[in-house]
Amino acid sequence: DAGITQSPRHKVTETGTPVTLRCHQTENHRYMYWYRQDPGHGLRLIHYSYGVKDTDKGEVSDGYSVSRSKTEDFLLTLESATSSQTSVYFCAISPDYNTEAFFGQGTRLTVV
Amino acid sequence: AQSVTQPDIHITVSEGASLELRCNYSYGATPYLFWYVQSPGQGLQLLLKYFSGDTLVQGIKGFEAEFKRSQSSFNLRKPSVHWSDAAEYFCAGADDMRFGAGTRLTVKP
Repeated sequence: DAGITQSPRHKVTETGTPVTLRCHQTENHRYMYWYRQDPGHGLRLIHYSYGVKDTDKGEVSDGYSVSRSKTEDFLLTLESATSSQTSVYFCAISPDYNTEAFFGQGTRLTVV
Repeated sequence: AQSVTQPDIHITVSEGASLELRCNYSYGATPYLFWYVQSPGQGLQLLLKYFSGDTLVQGIKGFEAEFKRSQSSFNLRKPSVHWSDAAEYFCAGADDMRFGAGTRLTVKP
């Protein structure tokens, strides 16, 4: 299995609070992705990174920001959590563009 | 816009029966396509991938998929389903790593 660790695995937070999810990889892959998974929507790309300090938006980026200061870490921040951001968040990595992605175990976030 | 579509939200098959899960894509050039499987509470695991060449690709766990340009399809198949195949299956296209909505497979004993 690809070395991907997401933390925390579960989190409950209150509306309006900031939340940061962490994705750590030990594969030295160039690309890292954050997805959210919701029933009926499959996985939707939030943001992705193609190198240190190089990030871009996905299809559902509003309300989220990311940072990548090291190859191995990709952080997803909800600046002010809302109930609509209750979801399961997955991190994925891939060695290059247009190659298969390897997924972490997911983080279940509940915003109350 | 580039996208992949999975027309079937939920499919039920009997154990031992054959399976086909549908995936349609809308990419201009030859797409890079993938099938992933997700067991309950787990992350996604790659089943197989298509980049170019032979249009019939073999994957893990006895799955295969056929790329048909004329039909813009990349359907996943398995000749005989096992109870352990019950899971959710996602088709995905590279270029922007876009996923379909998924098909949930139930296997009847």
